Amino acid sequence: EIVLTQSPGTLSLSPGERATLSCRASQSVSSNYLAWYQQKPGQAPRLLIYGASNRATGIPDRFSGSGSGTDFTLTISRLEPEDFAVYYCQQYGSSPPWTFGQGTRVEIK
Amino acid sequence: QITLKESGPTLVKPTQTLTLTCTFSGFSLTTSGMSVGWIRQPPGKALEWLALVYWDDDKRYRPSLRTRLTITKDTSKNQVVLTMTNVDSVDTATYYCAQGRLGFAFDIWGQGTMVTVSS
Repeated sequence: EIVLTQSPGTLSLSPGERATLSCRASQSVSSNYLAWYQQKPGQAPRLLIYGASNRATGIPDRFSGSGSGTDFTLTISRLEPEDFAVYYCQQYGSSPPWTFGQGTRVEIK
Repeated sequence: QITLKESGPTLVKPTQTLTLTCTFSGFSLTTSGMSVGWIRQPPGKALEWLALVYWDDDKRYRPSLRTRLTITKDTSKNQVVLTMTNVDSVDTATYYCAQGRLGFAFDIWGQGTMVTVSS
């Protein structure tokens, strides 16, 4: 089972700043099948990025994903007020079990 | 428009069996590459992947829960059912179902249903 470790646990930033979130896998993620989700309180997660770097439908271009193998990054170029939330990475490689990271909270500084 | 909705009991007693139903619309689980998965989230904690059923009826489970989980699909009703036996207080969580497509992860989620395990 692939273990995903996200860092930092909490990121305190101001609107307009750049956010960089990390997700490290315990072994290589096949086909770079790594996704990022955003979750706000009381809501279901929303898919932001799939395949490590592809934005899902309707996701603003301030969100970008990069990385391969075991190291992946989600970047929010300029934080908008609605971007303050918890972000999870997930690997969905060729053969389940699929796993999630423990989450990174992006909070207003 | 693709939608998914979870349904089931809000309160279950320890040792009982929990049955959750995911009713979906806007896609068919007979389409190649499609899947429906279950994910849960204990209060204040991270997401946990539980189980997945593919269009071809292939089924996968979280290894630590493999003996307690069963996932089935009814394509005529557009439903996926998850059963969990012998529940305990640690199974208290919001349970989500989500649509998966090969290569796309879980791109559409249900609203979730909160299940409390308590006597």
